[in-house]
Amino acid sequence: QKEVEQDPGPLSVPEGAIVSLNCTYSNSAFQYFMWYRQYSRKGPELLMYTYSSGNKEDGRFTAQVDKSSKYISLFIRDSQPSDSATYLCAMSHDSNYQLIWGAGTKLIIKP
Amino acid sequence: KAGVTQTPRYLIKTRGQQVTLSCSPISGHRSVSWYQQTPGQGLQFLFEYFSETQRNKGNFPGRFSGRQFSNSRSEMNVSTLELGDSALYLCASSLGQGPHEQYFGPGTRLTVT
Repeated sequence: QKEVEQDPGPLSVPEGAIVSLNCTYSNSAFQYFMWYRQYSRKGPELLMYTYSSGNKEDGRFTAQVDKSSKYISLFIRDSQPSDSATYLCAMSHDSNYQLIWGAGTKLIIKP
Repeated sequence: KAGVTQTPRYLIKTRGQQVTLSCSPISGHRSVSWYQQTPGQGLQFLFEYFSETQRNKGNFPGRFSGRQFSNSRSEMNVSTLELGDSALYLCASSLGQGPHEQYFGPGTRLTVT
Protein backbone atom coordinates (compact mmCIF):
# COMPACT_ATOMS: atom_id res chain seq x y z
CA GLN A 1 0.00 0.00 0.00
CA LYS A 2 1.29 3.44 -0.92
CA GLU A 3 1.77 6.04 1.79
CA VAL A 4 -0.35 8.51 -0.17
CA GLU A 5 -3.32 7.43 -2.29
CA GLN A 6 -4.91 9.61 -4.94
CA ASP A 7 -7.44 8.63 -7.59
CA PRO A 8 -5.85 9.25 -11.00
CA GLY A 9 -9.19 10.06 -12.65
CA PRO A 10 -9.89 11.53 -15.07
CA LEU A 11 -12.51 13.61 -13.32
CA SER A 12 -14.72 15.44 -15.80
CA VAL A 13 -17.11 18.20 -14.65
CA PRO A 14 -19.02 21.03 -16.35
CA GLU A 15 -17.77 24.60 -16.19
CA GLY A 16 -18.95 26.42 -13.07
CA ALA A 17 -19.21 23.28 -10.94
CA ILE A 18 -17.55 22.84 -7.55
CA VAL A 19 -14.69 20.36 -7.81
CA SER A 20 -13.51 18.18 -4.96
CA LEU A 21 -10.10 16.50 -5.18
CA ASN A 22 -8.88 14.19 -2.43
CA CYS A 23 -5.94 12.28 -1.05
CA THR A 24 -5.73 9.76 1.76
CA TYR A 25 -2.58 8.86 3.62
CA SER A 26 -1.40 6.28 6.10
CA ASN A 27 1.37 8.02 8.05
CA SER A 28 -0.11 9.90 11.00
CA ALA A 29 3.16 11.83 11.39
CA PHE A 30 2.50 13.94 8.29
CA GLN A 31 2.12 17.57 9.26
CA TYR A 32 2.69 19.57 6.07
CA PHE A 33 0.29 19.24 3.18
CA MET A 34 0.54 20.75 -0.28
CA TRP A 35 -1.39 20.81 -3.50
CA TYR A 36 0.31 21.27 -6.85
CA ARG A 37 -1.20 21.85 -10.28
CA GLN A 38 0.51 20.56 -13.40
CA TYR A 39 -0.46 21.53 -16.91
CA SER A 40 0.46 19.24 -19.78
CA ARG A 41 4.18 19.34 -20.59
CA LYS A 42 4.92 21.75 -17.73
CA GLY A 43 6.42 21.39 -14.26
CA PRO A 44 4.09 21.29 -11.23
CA GLU A 45 3.30 24.63 -9.59
CA LEU A 46 2.50 25.08 -5.91
CA LEU A 47 -1.16 25.96 -5.31
CA MET A 48 -1.81 25.58 -1.60
CA TYR A 49 0.25 24.81 1.49
CA THR A 50 -1.23 23.98 4.89
CA TYR A 51 0.16 22.92 8.23
CA SER A 52 -1.61 20.38 10.43
CA SER A 53 -5.42 20.37 10.42
CA GLY A 54 -7.92 22.95 9.28
CA ASN A 55 -8.89 24.90 6.22
CA LYS A 56 -7.09 27.42 4.07
CA GLU A 57 -8.70 29.53 1.39
CA ASP A 58 -7.12 31.34 -1.55
CA GLY A 59 -9.50 32.81 -4.08
CA ARG A 60 -11.49 30.01 -5.66
CA PHE A 61 -9.37 27.34 -3.96
CA THR A 62 -9.87 25.84 -0.50
CA ALA A 63 -7.57 23.24 1.04
CA GLN A 64 -8.88 21.13 3.88
CA VAL A 65 -6.99 18.74 6.16
CA ASP A 66 -8.67 16.16 8.40
CA LYS A 67 -5.87 14.49 10.34
CA SER A 68 -8.24 12.28 12.33
CA SER A 69 -9.37 10.65 9.06
CA LYS A 70 -5.97 11.02 7.34
CA TYR A 71 -7.73 12.77 4.48
CA ILE A 72 -7.01 15.99 2.61
CA SER A 73 -9.13 17.79 0.05
CA LEU A 74 -8.84 20.58 -2.46
CA PHE A 75 -12.04 22.36 -3.49
CA ILE A 76 -12.28 24.52 -6.58
CA ARG A 77 -15.29 26.83 -6.81
CA ASP A 78 -16.68 28.20 -10.08
CA SER A 79 -14.42 25.88 -12.07
CA GLN A 80 -13.07 27.15 -15.39
CA PRO A 81 -11.73 25.32 -18.45
CA SER A 82 -8.32 26.80 -17.55
CA ASP A 83 -8.43 24.70 -14.35
CA SER A 84 -8.09 21.57 -16.49
CA ALA A 85 -4.82 20.04 -15.34
CA THR A 86 -3.41 17.29 -13.15
CA TYR A 87 -3.56 18.01 -9.42
CA LEU A 88 -0.99 16.39 -7.16
CA CYS A 89 -1.01 16.25 -3.39
CA ALA A 90 2.23 16.07 -1.42
CA MET A 91 3.00 15.84 2.28
CA SER A 92 5.85 15.60 4.75
CA HIS A 93 6.54 15.37 8.47
CA ASP A 94 8.78 17.09 11.01
CA SER A 95 11.57 14.52 11.19
CA ASN A 96 12.11 14.33 7.41
CA TYR A 97 10.92 17.12 5.17
CA GLN A 98 11.13 15.03 2.00
CA LEU A 99 7.83 15.27 0.17
CA ILE A 100 5.74 12.16 -0.39
CA TRP A 101 3.58 12.49 -3.49
CA GLY A 102 0.21 11.24 -4.63
CA ALA A 103 -0.15 9.92 -8.18
CA GLY A 104 -2.11 12.99 -9.32
CA THR A 105 -5.73 13.39 -10.45
CA LYS A 106 -6.42 14.52 -13.99
CA LEU A 107 -9.21 17.12 -13.98
CA ILE A 108 -11.16 18.11 -17.09
CA ILE A 109 -13.51 21.10 -17.02
CA LYS A 110 -15.96 20.99 -19.92
CA PRO A 111 -17.11 24.37 -21.35
CA LYS B 1 12.75 36.77 -9.18
CA ALA B 2 13.63 34.28 -11.90
CA GLY B 3 12.20 30.79 -11.57
CA VAL B 4 13.91 27.43 -11.76
CA THR B 5 15.58 26.84 -15.10
CA GLN B 6 16.49 23.50 -16.63
CA THR B 7 18.63 22.75 -19.65
CA PRO B 8 18.25 21.27 -22.11
CA ARG B 9 14.48 21.16 -22.48
CA TYR B 10 14.49 18.22 -24.87
CA LEU B 11 17.01 15.49 -25.46
CA ILE B 12 17.17 12.38 -27.62
CA LYS B 13 19.78 9.76 -26.78
CA THR B 14 20.57 6.21 -27.77
CA ARG B 15 20.63 3.21 -25.45
CA GLY B 16 23.98 2.85 -23.73
CA GLN B 17 24.86 6.54 -23.91
CA GLN B 18 25.05 8.83 -20.92
CA VAL B 19 23.37 12.16 -20.34
CA THR B 20 23.84 15.17 -18.07
CA LEU B 21 20.96 17.47 -17.15
CA SER B 22 21.36 20.86 -15.53
CA CYS B 23 19.23 22.82 -13.07
CA SER B 24 19.57 26.38 -11.79
CA PRO B 25 17.47 27.00 -8.67
CA ILE B 26 15.70 30.17 -7.63
CA SER B 27 18.17 32.70 -6.25
CA GLY B 28 18.64 32.12 -2.52
CA HIS B 29 17.37 28.53 -2.59
CA ARG B 30 19.90 26.04 -1.31
CA SER B 31 18.04 22.78 -1.84
CA VAL B 32 17.59 21.08 -5.19
CA SER B 33 15.53 17.93 -5.68
CA TRP B 34 15.30 15.81 -8.80
CA TYR B 35 12.31 13.77 -9.92
CA GLN B 36 11.49 11.40 -12.74
CA GLN B 37 7.95 11.58 -14.09
CA THR B 38 6.42 8.97 -16.37
CA PRO B 39 2.76 8.31 -17.25
CA GLY B 40 2.84 4.91 -15.59
CA GLN B 41 4.79 5.67 -12.40
CA GLY B 42 3.93 9.30 -11.75
CA LEU B 43 6.39 11.54 -9.92
CA GLN B 44 9.27 9.58 -8.44
CA PHE B 45 11.91 11.11 -6.20
CA LEU B 46 15.51 10.66 -7.33
CA PHE B 47 17.60 12.64 -4.83
CA GLU B 48 17.95 15.92 -3.00
CA TYR B 49 20.99 18.09 -2.53
CA PHE B 50 21.45 20.76 0.10
CA SER B 51 24.62 22.83 0.41
CA GLU B 52 26.49 20.51 -1.99
CA THR B 53 25.61 17.38 0.01
CA GLN B 54 23.15 14.67 -0.91
CA ARG B 55 20.56 14.78 1.85
CA ASN B 56 17.99 12.27 0.60
CA LYS B 57 17.99 9.57 -2.03
CA GLY B 58 15.18 7.71 -3.74
CA ASN B 59 15.09 4.12 -4.87
CA PHE B 60 16.91 4.36 -8.20
CA PRO B 61 19.93 2.38 -9.45
CA GLY B 62 23.45 3.75 -9.21
CA ARG B 63 23.33 4.74 -12.88
CA PHE B 64 21.53 7.85 -11.65
CA SER B 65 23.80 10.31 -9.89
CA GLY B 66 23.90 13.98 -9.15
CA ARG B 67 25.86 16.77 -7.66
CA GLN B 68 25.43 20.32 -6.48
CA PHE B 69 27.84 23.18 -6.87
CA SER B 70 28.70 25.97 -4.45
CA ASN B 71 26.30 28.32 -6.27
CA SER B 72 23.48 25.77 -5.66
CA ARG B 73 23.25 24.83 -9.33
CA SER B 74 22.83 21.11 -9.75
CA GLU B 75 23.43 18.47 -12.37
CA MET B 76 22.17 14.95 -12.65
CA ASN B 77 23.79 12.25 -14.74
CA VAL B 78 22.37 9.03 -16.10
CA SER B 79 24.87 6.53 -17.44
CA THR B 80 24.27 3.52 -19.68
CA LEU B 81 20.84 4.74 -20.74
CA GLU B 82 17.98 2.27 -21.04
CA LEU B 83 14.72 2.63 -22.96
CA GLY B 84 12.89 2.82 -19.64
CA ASP B 85 14.77 5.98 -18.74
CA SER B 86 12.63 7.93 -21.21
CA ALA B 87 10.78 10.40 -19.01
CA LEU B 88 10.33 14.00 -17.95
CA TYR B 89 13.06 14.90 -15.47
CA LEU B 90 12.02 17.66 -13.11
CA CYS B 91 14.13 19.77 -10.85
CA ALA B 92 12.66 21.57 -7.85
CA SER B 93 14.26 24.10 -5.57
CA SER B 94 13.43 25.21 -2.06
CA LEU B 95 14.98 27.28 0.69
CA GLY B 96 16.04 24.01 2.26
CA GLN B 97 15.44 24.82 5.90
CA GLY B 98 12.24 23.40 7.29
CA PRO B 99 9.26 22.06 5.34
CA HIS B 100 9.79 21.94 1.65
CA GLU B 101 7.66 24.22 -0.44
CA GLN B 102 9.21 23.16 -3.69
CA TYR B 103 9.23 25.19 -6.88
CA PHE B 104 9.61 23.27 -10.09
CA GLY B 105 11.34 23.97 -13.35
CA PRO B 106 9.77 23.13 -16.71
CA GLY B 107 11.61 19.82 -16.93
CA THR B 108 13.84 18.08 -19.43
CA ARG B 109 12.11 15.58 -21.66
CA LEU B 110 14.51 12.72 -22.34
CA THR B 111 13.79 10.20 -25.06
CA VAL B 112 15.98 7.10 -25.29
CA THR B 113 15.87 5.21 -28.57
